[in-house]
Parts: sequence; C-alpha cells; structure tokens
Amino acid sequence: DQQVKQNSPSLSVQEGRISILNCDYTNSMFDYFLWYKKYPAEGPTFLISISSIKDKNEDGRFTVFLNKSAKHLSLHIVPSQPGDSAVYFCAAEGNTPLVFGKGTRLSVIA
Amino acid sequence: DGGITQSPKYLFRKEGQNVTLSCEQNLNHDAMYWYRQDPGQGLRLIYYSQIVNDFQKGDIAEGYSVSREKKESFPLTVTSAQKNPTAFYLCASSMGQAVISNQPQHFGDGTRLSIL
Repeated sequence: DQQVKQNSPSLSVQEGRISILNCDYTNSMFDYFLWYKKYPAEGPTFLISISSIKDKNEDGRFTVFLNKSAKHLSLHIVPSQPGDSAVYFCAAEGNTPLVFGKGTRLSVIA
Repeated sequence: DGGITQSPKYLFRKEGQNVTLSCEQNLNHDAMYWYRQDPGQGLRLIYYSQIVNDFQKGDIAEGYSVSREKKESFPLTVTSAQKNPTAFYLCASSMGQAVISNQPQHFGDGTRLSIL
C-alpha cells in the first residue's frame, strides 16, 4: 500500500504561471515532509521541507503548504520557469525512513 | 567539495552474476541509504544504515546485500537471487532523521544497471 501518493503523473504549465503539485499521505506518524526535484539520469536534489508543526514554508519561488487534517501537502512554484521542468518527488518521514511518492513530471512551456 | 560519489555510472550484468555498486560520501554523514527507481515508480528503499557496522532492510531487500565497514562507504551487492535487477540505483546519505537534524538526504547521481 502506498503511504505517499502523487496522483498526477504529469502537469503542464505556461511559463510565468503558477505550478501546483499535490501529495497525499496515509501514515499519521509522518512528521516531516520534503520535496525533491529530479532530472533524468541524475540523483534527486532537495528543494524544500516542512515540519508537521507548521502549515507553510516558503523559499524564494517555492512554497510548501501542509494540511495535517486532510493529510495533504502541496508545492507551489511561482512564477514557473522552463528550468523547473523535471520530475518532482514528495517524501515523508516519521516512524520510518523517508518514503517517496511516485513523482509528478512538470513541463513548463515557454 | 563534499558530496556523494556513485560508481560506475553504467553497469552491465550477465545472468547469474553478482555485481557490486559503489557509494562513497565525504559529508561526514552517519546514515546512508540505497534506493531503486524503476520507470514510473518512486524511489523504493533497499537497505539503510544509521551507523557503522549496522544496517537494516528496507522495503525491497530481497536479492540484495550491503556492508558498512567504514562511515564513508556503503556498497550494495546485487546478487543472482534478484530476478529483476535492471533499474536505476541511487545512494543517499544524511546526518540522521531529517526531523531531528533538519537536514535532508543528499543523493548521488546513480548507477544504471542492465542485464546482458
């Protein structure tokens, strides 16, 4: 059973608009959430994280929102740039090592 | 410049052969991890080690083995018992649990293993 779910395999967004990537989780013991960005044939690179004691964390163009009651988090990228095109993985940690979702492929169209 | 080095980048294995993937880090991290990525799949945890001379199975440990004799090294052996070894293998390291250290896992650039 998938503990971390990214239900959208892909997303296309116009350059300059907002990209919203979503992630749902089932394990109520998760207390730390991370987003990673991955290019083909490379390792994932860390983007942004959020602790369960917060509901929002912002870093430049990237903002992560956490809704604990809904067990849902989202990553907002504003404004989206062509260089943001990559696969984005949501990951969660708690009573287990990091658990990853299957990823969402973001394409930012110029 | 600190980082994680995985070698080789590409590896080919014959049927029935064991192969070992190398992972070295100079970040002074205590914990190290091995993941497998298949097309359309997320990263699935094979093994992890939180301290030298100790390691635990992840979700898909069958057909794999590891050792942690040194802090900076965590090699992964793909044995002949792994029936579907073709995949992209990623090694990672961290100071420990991110919720405690507030430090994320850092990843190497991966090894792609293929069966001849």
